Amino acid sequence: AQSVTQPDIHITVSEGASLELRCNYSYGATPYLFWYVQSPGQGLQLLLKYFSGDTLVQGIKGFEAEFKRSQSSFNLRKPSVHWSDAAEYFCAVAISGTYKYIFGTGTRLKVLA
Amino acid sequence: DGGITQSPKYLFRKEGQNVTLSCEQNLNHDAMYWYRQDPGQGLRLIYYSQIVNDFQKGDIAEGYSVSREKKESFPLTVTSAQKNPTAFYLCASSNTGNSPLHFGNGTRLTVT
Repeated sequence: AQSVTQPDIHITVSEGASLELRCNYSYGATPYLFWYVQSPGQGLQLLLKYFSGDTLVQGIKGFEAEFKRSQSSFNLRKPSVHWSDAAEYFCAVAISGTYKYIFGTGTRLKVLA
Repeated sequence: DGGITQSPKYLFRKEGQNVTLSCEQNLNHDAMYWYRQDPGQGLRLIYYSQIVNDFQKGDIAEGYSVSREKKESFPLTVTSAQKNPTAFYLCASSNTGNSPLHFGNGTRLTVT
């Protein structure tokens, strides 16, 4: 069955430190992958997407993600975290040929000053 | 600027009442979606619509109904049959089935 797993429910980092949020997916075909960010009480905003091609994709707000087919992973990274990055982050996969998307359960990021 | 507008932001209802959540988009997207978000559960699909006058049930459609009479609008009705309606509801749209979703800012529904 298709699924998306975000193993870390909460992550705390200090401002200025690097960040990596993990995402593993289970999907038979070539995945369409996304990372979204959600501030409290708000909707989700797209950070970046992977459809094909270069496995390292750049997004907004200084984020990047690397697609690793052999590991079924699509981890999100940022070299230096800012206090404003505190939010919840969701990884998602689109099921090709349908209008369905599977979301992970999210990782809540806390940034220490 | 194009986007998705959900209203109201907060909604309070008594148990046994139906309530309708509004969702309007001006992105000219064909597809629209309703998701329910509960703490620790990610997003769960309630209904989606690929085109006007057509919609399909998602994973948790029981107790909900929708209509798609206009491309721009996709209202969601939470009926009294929904056993646990208190949640955060998100509307989204997309150009195609594999395109990124664009989300509204959500409606928080509280039923007591």
